[in-house]
Amino acid sequence: SQTIHQWPATLVQPVGSPLSLECTVEGTSNPNLYWYRQAAGRGLQLLFYSVGIGQISSEVPQNLSASRPQDRQFILSSKKLLLSDSGFYLCAWSTGGSRETQYFGPGTRLLVL
Amino acid sequence: GDSVTQMEGPVTLSEEAFLTINCTYTATGYPSLFWYVQYPGEGLQLLLKATKADDKGSNKGFEATYRKETTSFHLEKGSVQVSDSAVYFCALASTGTASKLTFGTGTRLQVTL
Repeated sequence: SQTIHQWPATLVQPVGSPLSLECTVEGTSNPNLYWYRQAAGRGLQLLFYSVGIGQISSEVPQNLSASRPQDRQFILSSKKLLLSDSGFYLCAWSTGGSRETQYFGPGTRLLVL
Repeated sequence: GDSVTQMEGPVTLSEEAFLTINCTYTATGYPSLFWYVQYPGEGLQLLLKATKADDKGSNKGFEATYRKETTSFHLEKGSVQVSDSAVYFCALASTGTASKLTFGTGTRLQVTL
Protein backbone atom coordinates (compact mmCIF):
# COMPACT_ATOMS: atom_id res chain seq x y z
CA SER A 1 0.00 0.00 0.00
CA GLN A 2 1.01 3.59 -0.49
CA THR A 3 2.12 5.89 2.31
CA ILE A 4 3.15 9.52 2.40
CA HIS A 5 5.51 11.05 4.92
CA GLN A 6 6.21 14.64 5.84
CA TRP A 7 8.81 16.11 8.14
CA PRO A 8 9.28 17.82 10.35
CA ALA A 9 5.87 17.65 12.00
CA THR A 10 6.32 21.04 13.67
CA LEU A 11 8.76 23.86 13.05
CA VAL A 12 9.32 27.23 14.67
CA GLN A 13 11.58 29.53 12.68
CA PRO A 14 12.63 33.20 12.95
CA VAL A 15 11.77 35.68 10.24
CA GLY A 16 14.46 35.76 7.58
CA SER A 17 15.67 32.19 8.15
CA PRO A 18 15.65 29.51 5.42
CA LEU A 19 13.13 26.69 5.16
CA SER A 20 13.16 23.15 3.88
CA LEU A 21 10.16 20.83 4.21
CA GLU A 22 10.32 17.33 2.83
CA CYS A 23 7.69 14.96 1.54
CA THR A 24 8.23 11.38 0.39
CA VAL A 25 5.84 8.81 -1.01
CA GLU A 26 6.22 5.05 -0.79
CA GLY A 27 4.53 2.27 -2.72
CA THR A 28 3.91 3.99 -6.03
CA SER A 29 5.88 5.18 -9.04
CA ASN A 30 5.73 8.42 -10.99
CA PRO A 31 3.07 10.04 -8.83
CA ASN A 32 1.81 13.57 -9.24
CA LEU A 33 2.87 15.54 -6.16
CA TYR A 34 1.32 18.64 -4.61
CA TRP A 35 2.06 21.22 -1.90
CA TYR A 36 -0.82 23.03 -0.17
CA ARG A 37 -0.89 25.66 2.55
CA GLN A 38 -3.67 26.03 5.07
CA ALA A 39 -3.67 29.29 6.98
CA ALA A 40 -5.23 29.24 10.44
CA GLY A 41 -8.98 28.66 10.25
CA ARG A 42 -9.02 28.83 6.47
CA GLY A 43 -9.22 26.61 3.43
CA LEU A 44 -6.43 25.06 1.41
CA GLN A 45 -4.42 26.84 -1.23
CA LEU A 46 -2.49 24.89 -3.85
CA LEU A 47 1.09 26.19 -3.97
CA PHE A 48 2.94 23.85 -6.36
CA TYR A 49 2.43 20.64 -8.22
CA SER A 50 4.72 18.30 -10.11
CA VAL A 51 4.01 15.64 -12.73
CA GLY A 52 7.58 14.35 -12.91
CA ILE A 53 11.18 14.71 -11.75
CA GLY A 54 12.36 18.27 -12.18
CA GLN A 55 8.93 19.47 -13.37
CA ILE A 56 7.41 22.10 -11.08
CA SER A 57 4.35 24.25 -11.67
CA SER A 58 3.66 27.21 -9.42
CA GLU A 59 0.09 28.23 -8.73
CA VAL A 60 0.64 31.46 -6.83
CA PRO A 61 3.52 33.94 -6.73
CA GLN A 62 5.14 33.87 -3.32
CA ASN A 63 8.22 33.60 -1.20
CA LEU A 64 8.43 29.82 -1.61
CA SER A 65 9.87 27.40 -4.14
CA ALA A 66 9.57 23.67 -4.73
CA SER A 67 11.82 20.98 -6.14
CA ARG A 68 11.49 17.32 -7.06
CA PRO A 69 14.96 15.79 -7.08
CA GLN A 70 13.69 12.20 -7.09
CA ASP A 71 10.55 10.49 -8.33
CA ARG A 72 8.92 10.23 -4.91
CA GLN A 73 10.47 13.20 -3.13
CA PHE A 74 9.03 16.70 -3.08
CA ILE A 75 10.69 19.58 -1.23
CA LEU A 76 9.30 22.99 -0.28
CA SER A 77 11.88 25.70 0.35
CA SER A 78 12.37 29.34 1.14
CA LYS A 79 15.53 31.44 1.33
CA LYS A 80 14.06 33.96 3.78
CA LEU A 81 10.86 33.28 5.71
CA LEU A 82 8.20 35.93 6.23
CA LEU A 83 5.65 36.12 9.04
CA SER A 84 2.94 35.43 6.45
CA ASP A 85 4.53 32.06 5.65
CA SER A 86 3.16 30.64 8.91
CA GLY A 87 0.61 27.91 8.38
CA PHE A 88 -0.04 24.22 8.01
CA TYR A 89 1.70 22.74 4.96
CA LEU A 90 0.27 19.64 3.40
CA CYS A 91 1.81 17.40 0.78
CA ALA A 92 -0.36 15.14 -1.36
CA TRP A 93 0.04 12.63 -4.15
CA SER A 94 -2.14 11.20 -6.89
CA THR A 95 -1.67 8.77 -9.71
CA GLY A 96 -0.88 10.32 -13.09
CA GLY A 97 -3.60 11.95 -15.12
CA SER A 98 -6.42 14.26 -14.20
CA ARG A 99 -9.51 13.96 -11.98
CA GLU A 100 -7.74 11.43 -9.77
CA THR A 101 -7.98 11.19 -5.98
CA GLN A 102 -5.33 12.97 -3.96
CA TYR A 103 -3.99 11.42 -0.77
CA PHE A 104 -2.59 13.71 1.89
CA GLY A 105 0.30 13.50 4.30
CA PRO A 106 0.09 14.36 8.01
CA GLY A 107 1.25 17.95 7.46
CA THR A 108 3.91 20.27 8.86
CA ARG A 109 2.90 23.10 11.16
CA LEU A 110 5.17 26.10 10.58
CA LEU A 111 5.28 29.08 12.90
CA VAL A 112 7.41 32.04 11.84
CA LEU A 113 8.24 34.46 14.66
CA GLY B 1 -12.29 29.28 -13.29
CA ASP B 2 -13.33 26.42 -11.06
CA SER B 3 -14.88 27.14 -7.66
CA VAL B 4 -16.53 25.32 -4.77
CA THR B 5 -18.99 26.88 -2.35
CA GLN B 6 -19.74 25.27 1.01
CA MET B 7 -22.21 26.27 3.66
CA GLU B 8 -20.71 28.36 6.42
CA GLY B 9 -20.03 26.76 9.75
CA PRO B 10 -19.72 25.94 12.46
CA VAL B 11 -22.52 23.39 12.49
CA THR B 12 -23.48 22.17 15.96
CA LEU B 13 -25.63 19.05 16.29
CA SER B 14 -26.65 16.68 19.02
CA GLU B 15 -25.57 13.07 18.74
CA GLU B 16 -27.84 11.00 16.47
CA ALA B 17 -29.08 14.08 14.60
CA PHE B 18 -29.26 14.21 10.80
CA LEU B 19 -26.44 16.03 9.03
CA THR B 20 -26.45 17.92 5.75
CA ILE B 21 -23.54 20.04 4.57
CA ASN B 22 -24.29 21.80 1.29
CA CYS B 23 -21.74 22.02 -1.49
CA THR B 24 -22.16 23.52 -4.95
CA TYR B 25 -19.55 23.88 -7.63
CA THR B 26 -18.66 25.68 -10.85
CA ALA B 27 -16.44 23.89 -13.34
CA THR B 28 -16.00 23.29 -17.02
CA GLY B 29 -16.49 19.77 -18.30
CA TYR B 30 -17.06 16.86 -15.93
CA PRO B 31 -15.04 17.14 -12.75
CA SER B 32 -14.56 14.50 -10.10
CA LEU B 33 -16.04 15.51 -6.74
CA PHE B 34 -14.71 14.73 -3.28
CA TRP B 35 -15.39 15.14 0.39
CA TYR B 36 -12.37 15.23 2.68
CA VAL B 37 -12.38 15.29 6.49
CA GLN B 38 -9.77 16.89 8.74
CA TYR B 39 -9.55 15.99 12.41
CA PRO B 40 -7.79 18.47 14.74
CA GLY B 41 -4.07 18.73 14.07
CA GLU B 42 -4.12 16.17 11.26
CA GLY B 43 -3.94 16.08 7.48
CA LEU B 44 -6.90 15.50 5.20
CA GLN B 45 -8.49 12.11 4.78
CA LEU B 46 -10.60 11.17 1.80
CA LEU B 47 -14.14 10.53 3.00
CA LEU B 48 -15.87 9.76 -0.29
CA LYS B 49 -15.86 10.61 -3.96
CA ALA B 50 -17.92 10.50 -7.16
CA THR B 51 -16.59 10.68 -10.69
CA LYS B 52 -19.67 11.11 -12.86
CA ALA B 53 -23.22 12.41 -12.78
CA ASP B 54 -25.67 10.50 -10.54
CA ASP B 55 -22.84 8.59 -8.84
CA LYS B 56 -23.29 8.21 -5.10
CA GLY B 57 -20.20 8.13 -2.92
CA SER B 58 -20.52 6.58 0.52
CA ASN B 59 -18.30 5.76 3.48
CA LYS B 60 -18.73 5.40 7.25
CA GLY B 61 -22.43 6.26 7.01
CA PHE B 62 -21.80 9.44 5.00
CA GLU B 63 -23.26 9.82 1.51
CA ALA B 64 -23.15 12.36 -1.30
CA THR B 65 -24.67 12.24 -4.78
CA TYR B 66 -23.15 13.96 -7.84
CA ARG B 67 -25.98 16.15 -9.18
CA LYS B 68 -24.94 17.70 -12.47
CA GLU B 69 -28.28 19.44 -13.05
CA THR B 70 -27.91 21.40 -9.80
CA THR B 71 -24.07 21.34 -9.74
CA SER B 72 -24.20 20.05 -6.18
CA PHE B 73 -22.58 17.38 -4.02
CA HIS B 74 -24.22 17.68 -0.61
CA LEU B 75 -22.88 15.57 2.25
CA GLU B 76 -25.39 13.71 4.43
CA LYS B 77 -25.36 11.36 7.37
CA GLY B 78 -28.42 9.96 9.05
CA SER B 79 -27.11 9.83 12.62
CA VAL B 80 -23.96 11.69 13.64
CA GLN B 81 -21.67 10.70 16.47
CA VAL B 82 -19.37 12.75 18.68
CA SER B 83 -16.44 11.17 16.82
CA ASP B 84 -17.65 12.84 13.59
CA SER B 85 -16.63 16.24 14.97
CA ALA B 86 -14.15 17.60 12.42
CA VAL B 87 -13.81 20.00 9.50
CA TYR B 88 -15.29 18.80 6.22
CA PHE B 89 -14.03 20.02 2.85
CA CYS B 90 -15.77 19.68 -0.48
CA ALA B 91 -13.44 19.66 -3.48
CA LEU B 92 -13.37 19.11 -7.23
CA ALA B 93 -10.75 18.01 -9.72
CA SER B 94 -11.23 19.12 -13.30
CA THR B 95 -9.79 17.70 -16.46
CA GLY B 96 -6.38 19.03 -17.39
CA THR B 97 -2.80 18.52 -16.42
CA ALA B 98 -2.50 16.72 -13.07
CA SER B 99 -5.41 16.41 -10.65
CA LYS B 100 -5.37 19.83 -9.12
CA LEU B 101 -8.01 20.18 -6.43
CA THR B 102 -10.18 23.21 -5.87
CA PHE B 103 -11.44 23.27 -2.29
CA GLY B 104 -14.33 24.88 -0.53
CA THR B 105 -13.56 26.84 2.61
CA GLY B 106 -14.49 23.95 4.91
CA THR B 107 -17.34 23.42 7.36
CA ARG B 108 -16.62 22.74 11.02
CA LEU B 109 -18.96 20.17 12.58
CA GLN B 110 -19.30 19.92 16.34
CA VAL B 111 -21.38 17.04 17.70
CA THR B 112 -22.40 17.13 21.35
CA LEU B 113 -23.88 14.50 23.65
